[in-house]
Amino acid sequence: DVQLQESGPDLVKPSQSLSLTCTVTGYSITSGYSWHWIRQFPGNKLEWMGYIHYSGSTNYNPSLKSRISITRDTSKNQFFLQLNSVTTEDTATYYCARGLGLRDLNYWGQGTSVTVSS
Amino acid sequence: DIVLTQSPATLSVTPGDSVSLSCRASQSISNNLHWYQQKSHESPRLLIKYASQSISGIPSRFSGSGSGTDFTLSINSVETEDFGMYFCQQSNSWLTFGAGTKLELK
Repeated sequence: DVQLQESGPDLVKPSQSLSLTCTVTGYSITSGYSWHWIRQFPGNKLEWMGYIHYSGSTNYNPSLKSRISITRDTSKNQFFLQLNSVTTEDTATYYCARGLGLRDLNYWGQGTSVTVSS
Repeated sequence: DIVLTQSPATLSVTPGDSVSLSCRASQSISNNLHWYQQKSHESPRLLIKYASQSISGIPSRFSGSGSGTDFTLSINSVETEDFGMYFCQQSNSWLTFGAGTKLELK
């Protein structure tokens, strides 16, 4: 069965970069689908951040385009999120998920909580 | 951006009740609308895709309908395990989510 697991620091200082890893088991990220990052703010609002396609191409939420980068390590079957110049408004639970392009998201990780604070 | 408005914000029900949750889009999105359930301290789970298509492993009491701008998630005879948050998501233009409906025990 496909499983996704997020990992990374739970505390980041303002103005620094947030870096998270999603480790995928049960399916190769180069075989198909798109591999997404979504975040959920306190109060439950969900925001799609972007994805990396199995081909390696990327697609980002325009509101984040200047700050976000999604990359991958195919040898480890992992993909990564980097969000630059974070502020306290980036405090959220970050999820990785599998989808089919820009469609539905059928597998999600358990999420990792990140707090931006000095 | 396409804005999704979910109503009601909170729905208080008794197990056995049948309920309908609404999701309205700010412009027509055809059937590019998906529903998720999120229980406390868990990640969202896909319930219905493309407005009305069922998902393997999801109980048949969950069903979806609608197209264009108005969509409905129906739960036939709510069970205690169904309490939690429900979100709609559109995929017609980028991906955006509604604010959610909280289904709680009356």
